[in-house]
Amino acid sequence: QVQLQESGPGLVKPSQTLSLTCTVSGGSISSGSYYWSWIRQHPGKGLEWIGYIHFSGSTYYNPSLKSRVTILLDMSKNQFSLKLSSVTAADTAMYYCARLDSGNYYEFDYWGQGTLVTVSS
Amino acid sequence: DIQMTQSPSSLSASVGDRVTITCRASQSISSYLNWYQQKPGKAPKLLIYATSSLQSGVPSRFSGSGSGTDFTLTISVLQPEDFGTYYCQQSYSTRLTFGGGTKVEIK
Repeated sequence: QVQLQESGPGLVKPSQTLSLTCTVSGGSISSGSYYWSWIRQHPGKGLEWIGYIHFSGSTYYNPSLKSRVTILLDMSKNQFSLKLSSVTAADTAMYYCARLDSGNYYEFDYWGQGTLVTVSS
Repeated sequence: DIQMTQSPSSLSASVGDRVTITCRASQSISSYLNWYQQKPGKAPKLLIYATSSLQSGVPSRFSGSGSGTDFTLTISVLQPEDFGTYYCQQSYSTRLTFGGGTKVEIK
């Protein structure tokens, strides 16, 4: 059974860089059938796709965040990471990592439990 | 970006009711439409992919239909555990987008 687990600081200061890691177990991130994704949810709001990465290195980012987002893979640790620079209070949200299955219709079939990140001084 | 609009934004229904949620895309997305259920404090869970394919382990009372721009999620016989917020998501474009959600409450 595939499992994903987010980790990282729960509190980030304004203008700094938010850094989160997603550890994948029960499956390899080097599988060609999947993209490894980040999604966030502002308090009481809907879901916002941030971006995803393929083991080949291909990345796709939400245009609204593209200038501030970097997603990287660490295949030696079976992890992928999110970096979001120049954060503001508007980046306070629950951040989820998820697996995007490209073998079917590009659905998010496995999710982490989420980690709450608050941007505050 | 492809905009996804869900209706209603919330509903209250009784156990045993038939519930229908609608999702409309701002342009044709063929059958690239997925549905998720999210319960309070939990991550979303995939219910249906490719408009009408039931994810493994999801009860058969859930079904999906549609194509092009208009899609529906139906719960045939509402159960107490079906409360939560339901989201549609399009995967036609590499720029993935979600609907705003439909909150389902049990009367």
